[in-house]
Amino acid sequence: DVKVTQSSRYLVKRTGEKVFLECVQDMDHENMFWYRQDPGLGLRLIYFSYDVKMKEKGDIPEGYSVSREKKERFSLILESASTNQTSMYLCASSQEGRINTGELFFGEGSRLTVL
Amino acid sequence: AQSVTQPDIHITVSEGASLELRCNYSYGATPYLFWYVQSPGQGLQLLLKYFSGDTLVQGIKGFEAEFKRSQSSFNLRKPSVHWSDAAEYFCAVGASNDYKLSFGAGTTVTVRA
Repeated sequence: DVKVTQSSRYLVKRTGEKVFLECVQDMDHENMFWYRQDPGLGLRLIYFSYDVKMKEKGDIPEGYSVSREKKERFSLILESASTNQTSMYLCASSQEGRINTGELFFGEGSRLTVL
Repeated sequence: AQSVTQPDIHITVSEGASLELRCNYSYGATPYLFWYVQSPGQGLQLLLKYFSGDTLVQGIKGFEAEFKRSQSSFNLRKPSVHWSDAAEYFCAVGASNDYKLSFGAGTTVTVRA
């Protein structure tokens, strides 16, 4: 089975801290994604990557950056955390090719609280 | 750009009763449509998907969905709900020329005994 692992399930950080959210997938998928999930807003795409060192902005990239140095790992970075970034963050991966040729495989999520 | 609307925020259904969750999409061409389920404390799992062909799609866990182009809808149904179906359900739309998948706001399903 495909496994997408998010290293931290729960994090509590202070305003202004730098935050790293790590995601690893074990199925050699080309595409990886970071979504943010908020009640009443569903999932919103922050960034995605279709290859190593390649990245593209999603719908809400402001305040975030990403890194993909290895195919299996996709990191989300909050350079200076703010309270409005308190949320659930979901990582996902999909097979080679366009997203719609297959399904997204999701991790269990990282719940971040910024105080 | 594509978008998805799930009109129902929360639905309560009795165990054994039927369930229908509504999804309306906005997209100029033929959309690629998905339903995902998120159980408490879990990530999202794909229930079913529609790319082309038969407009009635069967998925896992006894769910099905029907694509109606004239109504821009992709409603999810289950004939008899089990307590384990209590979860949040997300409809999503994709496009053939885009990596992005756009999700609806979700519908929370509560199952009462």
